[in-house]
Amino acid sequence: QKEVEQDPGPLSVPEGAIVSLNCTYSNSAFQYFMWYRQYSRKGPELLMYTYSSGNKEDGRFTAQVDKSSKYISLFIRDSQPSDSATYLCAMEYGNKLVFGAGTILRVKS
Amino acid sequence: DVKVTQSSRYLVKRTGEKVFLECVQDMDHENMFWYRQDPGLGLRLIYFSYDVKMKEKGDIPEGYSVSREKKERFSLILESASTNQTSMYLCASSPIKIGNQPQHFGDGTRLSIL
Repeated sequence: QKEVEQDPGPLSVPEGAIVSLNCTYSNSAFQYFMWYRQYSRKGPELLMYTYSSGNKEDGRFTAQVDKSSKYISLFIRDSQPSDSATYLCAMEYGNKLVFGAGTILRVKS
Repeated sequence: DVKVTQSSRYLVKRTGEKVFLECVQDMDHENMFWYRQDPGLGLRLIYFSYDVKMKEKGDIPEGYSVSREKKERFSLILESASTNQTSMYLCASSPIKIGNQPQHFGDGTRLSIL
């Protein structure tokens, strides 16, 4: 079993839709939780960064962490074609990040 | 803004060659990392370094080595390239406090071994 599981998609939605991206994990030692966005032929860029259980909002993006269920989510409101990318969840403990496999998102105009 | 620069975007090499991938960061970060990214597998850590001349193995170090002679530069070396090392290689850096400082990535080197 992988430490971090993420549905690879692809996920295809119409412009304006609410998108939900999810990851589950098995290691309760993970302390920090991140979402990265990766456009084609580019490196991952940090979108959201959270520590505790609960919600964190930044513009159209909301990151949710449920440590009791070992489940994290990223919600994108009013999705735009420019949101089309691969979204990677990542979790940290000690000196290392463990990444999900990434979900490919396509927002159709 | 943090800038992590990888010297080559695309590289084609032959099996058995010794291959060098270079990474430079401009934010005086202590930590530097090398990952490879493969479809369906996500990013996997090859090696990381938390100081000059220091290195630690990641999850998949076999067939690779690293060098960090200067703080800003971290090199990944494929000692004898093989076709299963064809991949996207990503370099990242972060400040010393790993726990609350996320990693910043370069744009990657797409390496093909023929």
